[in-house]
Amino acid sequence: DGGITQSPKYLFRKEGQNVTLSCEQNLNHDAMYWYRQDPGQGLRLIYYSQIVNDFQKGDIAEGYSVSREKKESFPLTVTSAQKNPTAFYLCASSMSGGLSYNEQFFGPGTRLTVL
Amino acid sequence: KNQVEQSPQSLIILEGKNCTLQCNYTVSPFSNLRWYKQDTGRGPVSLTIMTFSENTKSNGRYTATLDADTKQSSLHITASQLSDSASYICVVSSYSSASKIIFGSGTRLSIRP
Repeated sequence: DGGITQSPKYLFRKEGQNVTLSCEQNLNHDAMYWYRQDPGQGLRLIYYSQIVNDFQKGDIAEGYSVSREKKESFPLTVTSAQKNPTAFYLCASSMSGGLSYNEQFFGPGTRLTVL
Repeated sequence: KNQVEQSPQSLIILEGKNCTLQCNYTVSPFSNLRWYKQDTGRGPVSLTIMTFSENTKSNGRYTATLDADTKQSSLHITASQLSDSASYICVVSSYSSASKIIFGSGTRLSIRP
C-alpha cells in the first residue's frame, strides 16, 4: 500500500511544550513539504526539502523545525516559540521539488490543538 | 503580489445539479494550475492540471477551463453526487522553487439530497 502517512491524526499539546509530527512516504519521492491549513485560508508552506539532508524555510517557518535524515521521513517539530500552533498540518511529497509541474501527494493530516 | 482568489467561498446545491467554481490568479510567471478536492479532515487530492496552452481538461464529471489571458480558471461539476461534498482548492504554480506554489482558500461545496 503505497502512499504518504502522517501520525498522529489528532494531537493535543500544553502551552510551552514542543511536539513532533510524523510524516513518512514510500513513493520514492525526492521532495517533501509541510503545510499549515487554517479555516478560511489557503495552505501555507512551512518548510520543504528537495533532497535528503537539505531543507529550506517556507513562508511561515518561525517556531517550527524539521529534519530530513532519510528520504522517506520528514518530521516537523512545533516548538514553544510558535505563538498560535493550533491548526491542521499537512505533509506532502513530489517526485522532485525543482519543477513545480510535479504533482504533490498529500498525507491525511494531523490536527494539533493547544490546550 | 502572487495571489489566488476563489469564489464563491461556499455553495450548496441539490444532488444531480451542475455547478461552476471560479479561480482568479495573479501568479507570475505562470507554470500550471491544479484543482484539488479535499474531503473534510483529509489531505487534498489532485483532480486536474492545466498548463498555459491548455483551455479545457476533463476528469469524469469534472471539467476545468483555463483562460491564461484573463488569468481565470473554472471547475465545472456535472450531475453532482453526495460524494462531491468537499472543499475544492485552486493551486497555481510558478516557474520557480517550491515556495512559488500558491494555494487558494477553497470553495466549500455541499450537495444536499
